[in-house]
Amino acid sequence: EVQLVQSGAEVKKPGESLKISCKGSGYRFTSSWIGWVRQMPGKGLEWMGIIHGGDSDTKYSPSFQGQVTISVDKSISTAYLQWSSLKASDTAIYYCARPRGRDYFDDWGQGTLVTVSS
Amino acid sequence: EIVLTQSPGTLSLSPGERATLSCRASQSISSNLAWYQQKPGQAPRLLIYGASTRATGIPARFSGSGSGTEFTLTISSLQSEDFAVYFCHQYNNWHTFGLGTKLEIK
Repeated sequence: EVQLVQSGAEVKKPGESLKISCKGSGYRFTSSWIGWVRQMPGKGLEWMGIIHGGDSDTKYSPSFQGQVTISVDKSISTAYLQWSSLKASDTAIYYCARPRGRDYFDDWGQGTLVTVSS
Repeated sequence: EIVLTQSPGTLSLSPGERATLSCRASQSISSNLAWYQQKPGQAPRLLIYGASTRATGIPARFSGSGSGTEFTLTISSLQSEDFAVYFCHQYNNWHTFGLGTKLEIK
């Protein structure tokens, strides 16, 4: 069974850094991509970017390029999403999701709520 | 970037009725479109991929159609558990999502 288990909720202040994680199991991590999707409170889904678990090939949405960094540690089958300086507007639920190939997302993590508030 | 426009924003129907949700792409995406259902407090769940193929375990009352720029998700007879938010997603050119249609009980 494919599982994507994300790290727990975070409460941060503006300007702080943050790295959240997504651990994959039940499939070959190094042969798959993992994407990150943002959902702001009461809003829709926004694709942020995607990374290959084997060679770290990464593609960012133009809306998120330069705003976040996506990485992987294939030795522990874990993908990461990080910010160097959080803003209040980064408050959202962040989902990781595994696409079939590079296509539709058929497996999702449970989501990580990030709250940025002074 | 491909933009997906979903309509209506909110759809109010009664159990047993037929629901028709639309998704329009700003340029042709062939059949590279998926639909997801999301309930409060839950992650999205894949319903349809390839515009018309039901994902594993999805009831037959859910069907998808369309290609190019116009797509439709149809729920033939609404059950209580179907009231949720529905998103379309194109994966023809990387990824974008529509803003969603909220299906609420009338």
